[in-house]
Amino acid sequence: AQTVTQSQPEMSVQEAETVTLSCTYDTSESNYYLFWYKQPPSRQMILVIRQEAYKQQNATENRFSVNFQKAAKSFSLKISDSQLGDTAMYFCAFQGGSEKLVFGKGTKLTVNP
Amino acid sequence: ETGVTQSPTHLIKTRGQQVTLRCSSQSGHNTVSWYQQALGQGPQFIFQYYREEENGRGNFPPRFSGLQFPNYSSELNVNALELDDSALYLCASSLAQNRVRDTQYFGPGTRLTVL
Repeated sequence: AQTVTQSQPEMSVQEAETVTLSCTYDTSESNYYLFWYKQPPSRQMILVIRQEAYKQQNATENRFSVNFQKAAKSFSLKISDSQLGDTAMYFCAFQGGSEKLVFGKGTKLTVNP
Repeated sequence: ETGVTQSPTHLIKTRGQQVTLRCSSQSGHNTVSWYQQALGQGPQFIFQYYREEENGRGNFPPRFSGLQFPNYSSELNVNALELDDSALYLCASSLAQNRVRDTQYFGPGTRLTVL
């Protein structure tokens, strides 16, 4: 069974600075997808970024980028120029051959003014 | 483009009762997945419906059941409610073409409290 581990329960960063959230996963599959979702206090889970395992190039979405290390089974999220609106829970998720998403326990990120 | 919607927003029930939660998928999507998120935890997969058929189930007892309608909206039914069923229930929709998966987009969730 796949597992996703987020080792940082909480993190904080100053506005305009850069922060990196860590995620590792365990799988025997070779074809899969990885995601970062953001869940603000409003509760809605919002897609931040998606990475296909077969792509060597790291995904980027504006201020958000990932460092995907397939051999190490690592998938970290870098947030540049942090904004107050980035304050939220961040969940790393794995999707393999089955259709389900497997989530980590989340990292609570606080952006301080 | 209409996003995923869920109803109701909040619900309070007592042990032993039954509950039905509803989800309308995003326009153009044909697959709905349900997740349970306990407080302080990541979401756990309950089951998924693709073109009105169950397409995978997580480690949840049979008292958790679902349905998908021809318009791809979905219901989650929970019978014989237990205190541990208190959680945020999230619905996610996606477009699967020839069973090739696509990104899941989530609704705002239903907060269920069981007393």
